[in-house]
Amino acid sequence: NAGVTQTPKFQVLKTGQSMTLQCAQDMNHEYMSWYRQDPGMGLRLIHYSVGAGITDQGEVPNGYNVSRSTTEDFPLRLLSAAPSQTSVYFCASKIGLAGGPRGTGELFFGEGSRLTVL
Amino acid sequence: QKEVEQDPGPLSVPEGAIVSLNCTYSNSAFQYFMWYRQYSRKGPELLMYTYSSGNKEDGRFTAQVDKSSKYISLFIRDSQPSDSATYLCAMSSYSGGGADGLTFGKGTHLIIQP
Repeated sequence: NAGVTQTPKFQVLKTGQSMTLQCAQDMNHEYMSWYRQDPGMGLRLIHYSVGAGITDQGEVPNGYNVSRSTTEDFPLRLLSAAPSQTSVYFCASKIGLAGGPRGTGELFFGEGSRLTVL
Repeated sequence: QKEVEQDPGPLSVPEGAIVSLNCTYSNSAFQYFMWYRQYSRKGPELLMYTYSSGNKEDGRFTAQVDKSSKYISLFIRDSQPSDSATYLCAMSSYSGGGADGLTFGKGTHLIIQP
């Protein structure tokens, strides 16, 4: 199993450009989410999905769109990139809202996508 | 005031030392407490999970929760250079973490010197 796969790993954009960060998981997890990680800010939730066709906003959703057409994929779209969106983006999944086999609700993270907006 | 406070470090200790990492929180609804470990340029991975107050041990790692003080700790015994990483505490009011995610600390950067 590959787990959670994110592409691209690195990206440089100019202000105003749009792009999509891809996320795919092969664990048949119902729940998927996007976080951003910034120095001094920790991990902050952008958007999440509890199943195909269902998405909702997290703590910092502005400037980002998501959709969930399949269980496996959860792309994050930057509509018009701004320097404030320079960050490391992590996609994470878990089996569902319940605790899973170990009852922990363990989040499985991808390796991250490093985005710089000039 | 942030819901979860965690000293970002860096914390540098010699190999073999006992390491203590800590978080404080303000939300009394938190009942489920986790520690994630994040190696450089990698995603976080779950290290320890505890419910309510008390201790939980797993090999060289011990997680401790004191709900009355709103304080959680992670102890690492016989620390190894391979333990060098950023350790993030995380907490939730729900056993499965809920829909709107965990509340994470900022992470403590730990360096174990050989």
